[in-house]
Amino acid sequence: DVKVTQSSRYLVKRTGEKVFLECVQDMDHENMFWYRQDPGLGLRLIYFSYDVKMKEKGDIPEGYSVSREKKERFSLILESASTNQTSMYLCASSSTSGRVQYFGPGTRLTVT
Amino acid sequence: QQPVQSPQAVILREGEDAVINCSSSKALYSVHWYRQKHGEAPVFLMILLKGGEQKGHDKISASFNEKKQQSSLYLTASQLSYSGTYFCGTDNNNDMRFGAGTRLTVKP
Repeated sequence: DVKVTQSSRYLVKRTGEKVFLECVQDMDHENMFWYRQDPGLGLRLIYFSYDVKMKEKGDIPEGYSVSREKKERFSLILESASTNQTSMYLCASSSTSGRVQYFGPGTRLTVT
Repeated sequence: QQPVQSPQAVILREGEDAVINCSSSKALYSVHWYRQKHGEAPVFLMILLKGGEQKGHDKISASFNEKKQQSSLYLTASQLSYSGTYFCGTDNNNDMRFGAGTRLTVKP
């Protein structure tokens, strides 16, 4: 079974803090994705990566950056957290051949 | 770039049928359907590749009209376990986007 894990289920940070969200997958997938999920807006793509050290902007990259130094790990970074970044963050991975996305359990981030 | 889903929400009684639609403005390689139960991660249901295929999974099936860039998810004889939010994901050369979701509630 594919397993995608995220470093925290719940996180509370203060405005202006630097926040790291970690995602690890164990299936040697090439592709990894970060989404944020807000009521009524569905899953919006922040960044994705096809390969190590590769990254592509999604639809809402402003205020976020990512890092992929190893194939199994994809990190989302909020350089200076703001209250409008309070959301559920979901990580997913997929293989280029299979394309099915496998999601992690999500991190509910609250910025106060 | 997000696909458009309709309806936004639907309430059913057990045994009733529902259709959820998904349309995209871009040419598609494939369409994915996922279901998310409250407090859980989305879970893959099925994938449809271009070629106008139709797939089934128990009493949940889907179609994909490549020319119209549309897909529909059909839930027949709904069960309580079908409740959740359904998302379509449109894949354009590995560039995946998800719709806003359709909240399905099945009542006894």
